[in-house]
Amino acid sequence: GDSVTQMEGPVTLSEEAFLTINCTYTATGYPSLFWYVQYPGEGLQLLLKATKADDKGSNKGFEATYRKETTSFHLEKGSVQVSDSAVYFCALSARGLGNEKLTFGTGTRLTIIP
Amino acid sequence: DAGVTQSPTHLIKTRGQQVTLRCSPKSGHDTVSWYQQALGQGPQFIFQYYEEEERQRGNFPDRFSGHQFPNYSSELNVNALWLGDSALYLCASSSRHPTPRNPTVEQFFGPGTRLTVL
Repeated sequence: GDSVTQMEGPVTLSEEAFLTINCTYTATGYPSLFWYVQYPGEGLQLLLKATKADDKGSNKGFEATYRKETTSFHLEKGSVQVSDSAVYFCALSARGLGNEKLTFGTGTRLTIIP
Repeated sequence: DAGVTQSPTHLIKTRGQQVTLRCSPKSGHDTVSWYQQALGQGPQFIFQYYEEEERQRGNFPDRFSGHQFPNYSSELNVNALWLGDSALYLCASSSRHPTPRNPTVEQFFGPGTRLTVL
Protein backbone atom coordinates (compact mmCIF):
# COMPACT_ATOMS: atom_id res chain seq x y z
CA GLY A 1 0.00 0.00 0.00
CA ASP A 2 0.87 3.65 -0.06
CA SER A 3 3.31 4.88 2.54
CA VAL A 4 5.42 7.88 3.52
CA THR A 5 8.71 7.65 5.38
CA GLN A 6 10.02 10.73 7.12
CA MET A 7 13.27 11.64 8.78
CA GLU A 8 13.15 10.77 12.46
CA GLY A 9 13.11 13.63 14.90
CA PRO A 10 13.36 15.60 16.94
CA VAL A 11 15.51 18.09 15.06
CA THR A 12 17.07 21.03 16.92
CA LEU A 13 18.74 23.85 15.02
CA SER A 14 20.03 27.31 15.77
CA GLU A 15 18.29 30.30 14.28
CA GLU A 16 19.41 31.05 10.68
CA ALA A 17 20.65 27.48 10.13
CA PHE A 18 19.82 25.51 6.97
CA LEU A 19 17.03 22.97 7.30
CA THR A 20 16.44 19.70 5.48
CA ILE A 21 13.76 17.20 6.46
CA ASN A 22 13.85 14.07 4.33
CA CYS A 23 10.72 12.42 2.97
CA THR A 24 10.39 9.41 0.68
CA TYR A 25 7.23 7.73 -0.51
CA THR A 26 5.81 4.55 -1.96
CA ALA A 27 2.74 4.78 -4.15
CA THR A 28 1.31 3.41 -7.36
CA GLY A 29 0.39 5.81 -10.09
CA TYR A 30 1.06 9.51 -9.86
CA PRO A 31 0.47 10.84 -6.36
CA SER A 32 0.38 14.45 -5.28
CA LEU A 33 2.78 15.32 -2.46
CA PHE A 34 2.30 17.70 0.45
CA TRP A 35 4.03 19.13 3.48
CA TYR A 36 1.77 20.04 6.40
CA VAL A 37 2.84 21.90 9.56
CA GLN A 38 1.28 21.55 13.00
CA TYR A 39 1.88 24.29 15.54
CA PRO A 40 1.24 23.54 19.24
CA GLY A 41 -2.48 23.31 20.00
CA GLU A 42 -3.50 23.83 16.39
CA GLY A 43 -4.66 21.72 13.50
CA LEU A 44 -2.56 20.90 10.47
CA GLN A 45 -1.91 23.64 7.94
CA LEU A 46 -0.85 23.02 4.36
CA LEU A 47 2.66 24.40 3.89
CA LEU A 48 3.29 23.50 0.25
CA LYS A 49 2.42 20.96 -2.39
CA ALA A 50 3.50 19.52 -5.74
CA THR A 51 1.27 17.61 -8.11
CA LYS A 52 3.67 16.17 -10.70
CA ALA A 53 7.27 15.15 -11.17
CA ASP A 54 9.86 17.97 -11.05
CA ASP A 55 7.31 20.41 -9.64
CA LYS A 56 8.69 22.61 -6.87
CA GLY A 57 6.35 23.70 -4.10
CA SER A 58 7.29 26.75 -2.07
CA ASN A 59 5.85 28.86 0.71
CA LYS A 60 7.19 31.05 3.54
CA GLY A 61 10.79 30.34 2.48
CA PHE A 62 10.26 26.56 2.50
CA GLU A 63 10.76 24.53 -0.68
CA ALA A 64 10.36 20.92 -1.77
CA THR A 65 10.85 19.33 -5.20
CA TYR A 66 8.88 16.27 -6.39
CA ARG A 67 11.55 13.77 -7.45
CA LYS A 68 9.94 10.76 -9.13
CA GLU A 69 13.26 9.00 -9.85
CA THR A 70 14.15 8.92 -6.15
CA THR A 71 10.52 8.95 -4.88
CA SER A 72 11.41 11.84 -2.60
CA PHE A 73 9.99 15.19 -1.51
CA HIS A 74 12.55 16.67 0.89
CA LEU A 75 11.66 19.89 2.71
CA GLU A 76 14.30 22.65 2.80
CA LYS A 77 14.65 26.17 4.15
CA GLY A 78 17.73 28.32 3.85
CA SER A 79 17.49 30.21 7.15
CA VAL A 80 15.14 29.01 9.89
CA GLN A 81 13.51 31.21 12.51
CA VAL A 82 12.28 30.51 16.02
CA SER A 83 8.73 30.81 14.69
CA ASP A 84 9.35 27.75 12.46
CA SER A 85 9.35 25.51 15.53
CA ALA A 86 6.55 22.99 14.92
CA VAL A 87 5.89 19.43 13.78
CA TYR A 88 6.18 18.87 10.03
CA PHE A 89 4.32 16.09 8.19
CA CYS A 90 4.98 14.81 4.69
CA ALA A 91 1.88 13.38 3.01
CA LEU A 92 0.65 11.99 -0.28
CA SER A 93 -2.66 11.74 -2.06
CA ALA A 94 -2.48 8.61 -4.14
CA ARG A 95 -5.11 9.59 -6.67
CA GLY A 96 -3.52 12.99 -7.12
CA LEU A 97 -6.39 14.98 -5.65
CA GLY A 98 -5.75 16.98 -2.52
CA ASN A 99 -9.33 16.58 -1.38
CA GLU A 100 -9.07 12.81 -1.07
CA LYS A 101 -7.46 10.43 1.40
CA LEU A 102 -4.10 11.67 2.63
CA THR A 103 -1.40 9.25 3.77
CA PHE A 104 0.94 10.88 6.29
CA GLY A 105 4.41 10.22 7.58
CA THR A 106 5.03 10.06 11.31
CA GLY A 107 6.07 13.70 11.57
CA THR A 108 9.30 15.49 12.44
CA ARG A 109 9.41 17.81 15.45
CA LEU A 110 11.56 20.86 14.72
CA THR A 111 12.86 23.15 17.48
CA ILE A 112 14.75 26.33 16.62
CA ILE A 113 16.79 27.91 19.39
CA PRO A 114 17.71 31.62 19.34
CA ASP B 1 -14.93 33.33 7.31
CA ALA B 2 -14.83 30.64 10.00
CA GLY B 3 -12.49 27.78 9.41
CA VAL B 4 -13.14 24.18 10.37
CA THR B 5 -14.52 23.87 13.88
CA GLN B 6 -14.68 20.79 16.08
CA SER B 7 -16.36 19.99 19.36
CA PRO B 8 -15.69 19.18 22.05
CA THR B 9 -12.06 20.20 22.51
CA HIS B 10 -11.32 17.51 25.04
CA LEU B 11 -13.21 14.42 26.15
CA ILE B 12 -12.60 11.70 28.72
CA LYS B 13 -14.41 8.37 28.48
CA THR B 14 -14.06 4.93 30.03
CA ARG B 15 -13.60 1.63 28.25
CA GLY B 16 -16.75 0.27 26.64
CA GLN B 17 -18.44 3.64 26.34
CA GLN B 18 -19.51 5.33 23.13
CA VAL B 19 -18.49 8.80 21.93
CA THR B 20 -19.69 11.29 19.32
CA LEU B 21 -17.42 13.98 17.92
CA ARG B 22 -18.65 16.85 15.78
CA CYS B 23 -17.23 18.87 12.93
CA SER B 24 -18.40 21.92 11.00
CA PRO B 25 -16.61 22.41 7.69
CA LYS B 26 -15.18 25.61 6.32
CA SER B 27 -17.73 27.76 4.52
CA GLY B 28 -18.19 26.62 0.93
CA HIS B 29 -16.83 23.12 1.55
CA ASP B 30 -18.95 20.02 0.95
CA THR B 31 -16.59 17.16 1.85
CA VAL B 32 -15.49 16.10 5.33
CA SER B 33 -12.71 13.67 6.19
CA TRP B 34 -11.82 12.28 9.61
CA TYR B 35 -8.36 11.32 10.79
CA GLN B 36 -7.01 9.72 13.97
CA GLN B 37 -3.66 10.99 15.26
CA ALA B 38 -2.13 8.90 18.03
CA LEU B 39 0.49 10.53 20.22
CA GLY B 40 3.75 10.97 18.32
CA GLN B 41 2.28 9.62 15.08
CA GLY B 42 0.99 11.04 11.85
CA PRO B 43 -2.75 11.25 11.18
CA GLN B 44 -4.43 8.07 9.92
CA PHE B 45 -7.39 8.37 7.53
CA ILE B 46 -10.64 7.03 8.98
CA PHE B 47 -13.22 7.92 6.31
CA GLN B 48 -14.60 10.67 4.11
CA TYR B 49 -18.15 11.90 3.61
CA TYR B 50 -19.62 13.65 0.61
CA GLU B 51 -23.30 14.13 -0.22
CA GLU B 52 -24.16 12.48 3.09
CA GLU B 53 -22.54 9.19 2.09
CA GLU B 54 -19.28 7.53 3.09
CA ARG B 55 -17.08 7.71 -0.01
CA GLN B 56 -13.73 6.36 1.14
CA ARG B 57 -12.73 4.40 4.21
CA GLY B 58 -9.39 3.66 5.81
CA ASN B 59 -8.37 0.58 7.75
CA PHE B 60 -10.61 1.11 10.79
CA PRO B 61 -13.13 -1.32 12.31
CA ASP B 62 -16.89 -0.95 12.09
CA ARG B 63 -16.87 0.50 15.62
CA PHE B 64 -16.01 3.73 13.83
CA SER B 65 -18.98 5.19 12.01
CA GLY B 66 -19.99 8.58 10.78
CA HIS B 67 -22.68 10.75 9.42
CA GLN B 68 -22.91 13.86 7.29
CA PHE B 69 -25.85 16.24 7.53
CA PRO B 70 -27.49 18.31 4.77
CA ASN B 71 -25.57 21.40 5.97
CA TYR B 72 -22.32 19.42 5.37
CA SER B 73 -21.44 19.13 9.06
CA SER B 74 -20.38 15.71 10.23
CA GLU B 75 -20.22 13.42 13.24
CA LEU B 76 -17.78 10.67 14.09
CA ASN B 77 -19.09 7.93 16.37
CA VAL B 78 -16.93 5.37 18.10
CA ASN B 79 -18.53 2.46 19.96
CA ALA B 80 -17.06 0.08 22.54
CA LEU B 81 -14.13 2.37 23.29
CA TRP B 82 -10.86 0.83 24.34
CA LEU B 83 -7.60 2.33 25.53
CA GLY B 84 -6.10 2.30 22.04
CA ASP B 85 -8.73 4.74 20.82
CA SER B 86 -7.09 7.50 22.87
CA ALA B 87 -5.91 10.03 20.27
CA LEU B 88 -6.42 13.42 18.69
CA TYR B 89 -9.28 13.19 16.18
CA LEU B 90 -8.94 15.62 13.31
CA CYS B 91 -11.61 16.73 10.92
CA ALA B 92 -10.67 18.13 7.52
CA SER B 93 -12.95 19.79 5.01
CA SER B 94 -12.53 20.37 1.29
CA SER B 95 -14.48 21.12 -1.83
CA ARG B 96 -15.25 18.29 -4.24
CA HIS B 97 -15.63 20.78 -7.04
CA PRO B 98 -13.22 23.72 -7.17
CA THR B 99 -14.86 27.08 -7.81
CA PRO B 100 -13.49 30.59 -8.25
CA ARG B 101 -14.17 31.13 -4.55
CA ASN B 102 -12.48 27.86 -3.60
CA PRO B 103 -9.99 27.24 -6.41
CA THR B 104 -8.00 24.47 -4.78
CA VAL B 105 -8.88 21.03 -3.55
CA GLU B 106 -6.78 21.46 -0.44
CA GLN B 107 -8.00 19.94 2.80
CA PHE B 108 -8.36 22.38 5.72
CA PHE B 109 -7.96 20.86 9.17
CA GLY B 110 -9.71 21.73 12.40
CA PRO B 111 -7.89 21.92 15.76
CA GLY B 112 -9.02 18.44 16.73
CA THR B 113 -10.76 16.73 19.64
CA ARG B 114 -8.48 15.12 22.21
CA LEU B 115 -10.10 11.85 23.34
CA THR B 116 -8.77 10.06 26.40
CA VAL B 117 -10.07 6.58 27.21
CA LEU B 118 -9.45 5.38 30.77
